[in-house]
Amino acid sequence: GAGVSQSPSNKVTEKGKDVELRCDPISGHTALYWYRQSLGQGLEFLIYFQGNSAPDKSGLPSDRFSAERTGGSVSTLTIQRTQQEDSAVYLCASSLTGGGADTQYFGPGTRLTVL
Amino acid sequence: KQEVTQIPAALSVPEGENLVLNCSFTDSAIYNLQWFRQDPGKGLTSLLLIQSSQREQTSGRLNASLDKSSGRSTLYIAASQPGDSATYLCAVYLGGKLIFGQGTELSVKP
Repeated sequence: GAGVSQSPSNKVTEKGKDVELRCDPISGHTALYWYRQSLGQGLEFLIYFQGNSAPDKSGLPSDRFSAERTGGSVSTLTIQRTQQEDSAVYLCASSLTGGGADTQYFGPGTRLTVL
Repeated sequence: KQEVTQIPAALSVPEGENLVLNCSFTDSAIYNLQWFRQDPGKGLTSLLLIQSSQREQTSGRLNASLDKSSGRSTLYIAASQPGDSATYLCAVYLGGKLIFGQGTELSVKP
C-alpha cells in the first residue's frame, strides 16, 4: 500500500484480556516505531525497530507490553493482561532508514479501550 | 532528559492572518526537528523536517525555522485558512525516537 496501515482501527476489550495490534509499514522502510497517545500523557515513544531488531525498547511502560517485527516488515504490539490505563490510541510509524534526514510516516492508529 | 514545550496550547485567529507557533527543547543534541499536523481522530501528517545542520525549511504557506543553540523552532503559517484548523505538534528526533511536545490547537475562523 501507499502508506502505513494499522489494524484493527478500534479495539474494545475487557480488563485482563490480551490484545494484539498490527502495523504494516511502507514497503522498503527499514525503521519502524510504536507510539502511544493518551489524554493525560500526550504522544509517547514505546519502541523502535531497525529491521527485525529492537535497539530501543525504553518506552515500553511495563513487562506486559511486548513487540516483534518479522521479515523486516509487519510488526505486532502485544499487551497482556490489559488494564484500564492502557486505553489510548496506539500509533505506528515507519521511515526509510531511521537516519536524521528521514521523515516518519504515521498510520491512522488503533484506538484501544479497556473496560 | 529531553523535554519539548509548545506555546501557546491553543490559538484562535480570523481567516487571513499570519501566525507563529513556538516550540522549545531542552537538549540541543538532536538529529532533526519535525512539525506534524493532526486532525481530530486521525493520525499525524508530516509537514516539515529540518535537519540539525539546517536553519529553515519552507513548503507552500509554511515556513519552519530551527535555532539549535537556543533550543527553539517556530512554524510560520501565512494567510491562514479555515482548513488549517488542526493540532500542530513539534517533535525532536534523537535517533530511534521522536520526543513530542503537547501540541498547539489552532482554530481559524472564517
